[in-house]
Amino acid sequence: TQLLEQSPQFLSIQEGENLTVYCNSSSVFSSLQWYRQEPGEGPVLLVTVVTGGEVKKLKRLTFQFGDARKDSSLHITAAQPGDTGLYLCAGGPSGTYKYIFGTGTRLKVLA
Amino acid sequence: NAGVMQNPRHLVRRRGQEARLRCSPMKGHSHVYWYRQLPEEGLKFMVYLQKENIIDESGMPKERFSAEFPKEGPSILRIQQVVRGDSAAYFCASSRRAEPYEQYFGPGTRLTVT
Repeated sequence: TQLLEQSPQFLSIQEGENLTVYCNSSSVFSSLQWYRQEPGEGPVLLVTVVTGGEVKKLKRLTFQFGDARKDSSLHITAAQPGDTGLYLCAGGPSGTYKYIFGTGTRLKVLA
Repeated sequence: NAGVMQNPRHLVRRRGQEARLRCSPMKGHSHVYWYRQLPEEGLKFMVYLQKENIIDESGMPKERFSAEFPKEGPSILRIQQVVRGDSAAYFCASSRRAEPYEQYFGPGTRLTVT
């Protein structure tokens, strides 16, 4: 069974702090996506990474895809209360069209 | 520039009734995926469809659940004779290509079985 494990599962931090969320698998992924989901809504796509070692920046968010395409990280600089939500990594293992979702990280940023 | 549309957003059914959930993919997207999310759990793949074809339904329960994506109109996820355990959020996603690449999600339908 292919799994995407995220850590930490829960994170509560003060506004202005930095944080990193990890997404790990034993399988190789052809691409990996990060989503944010707010209560009562569907996941919203933040970024897609495709190439091993790729780094993408989205304002205060930095996403990295591992060299072997088995893991990824999301780093948030100077977190704000608006960053609060459920962060999900998801991806398609090589050779399949099926999407697997990570276990999720619930982030709460306190003002 | 409409995104993925789902309706209804909330659906209440009594045990034994049928639930029909609709999904209209983004413009230009011909691949549709359905997922289920139980409270405090992650999203679980149910079925992948292209126009008029079910490509993979390996995540769908064998009984009472069916899905279709007709040539015209939205994709439908149908649950017959609902039970309390079917209560969940059901999300539809669509993509432009037949790869696991950039799926865009709708707002979901929250099904409550009483």
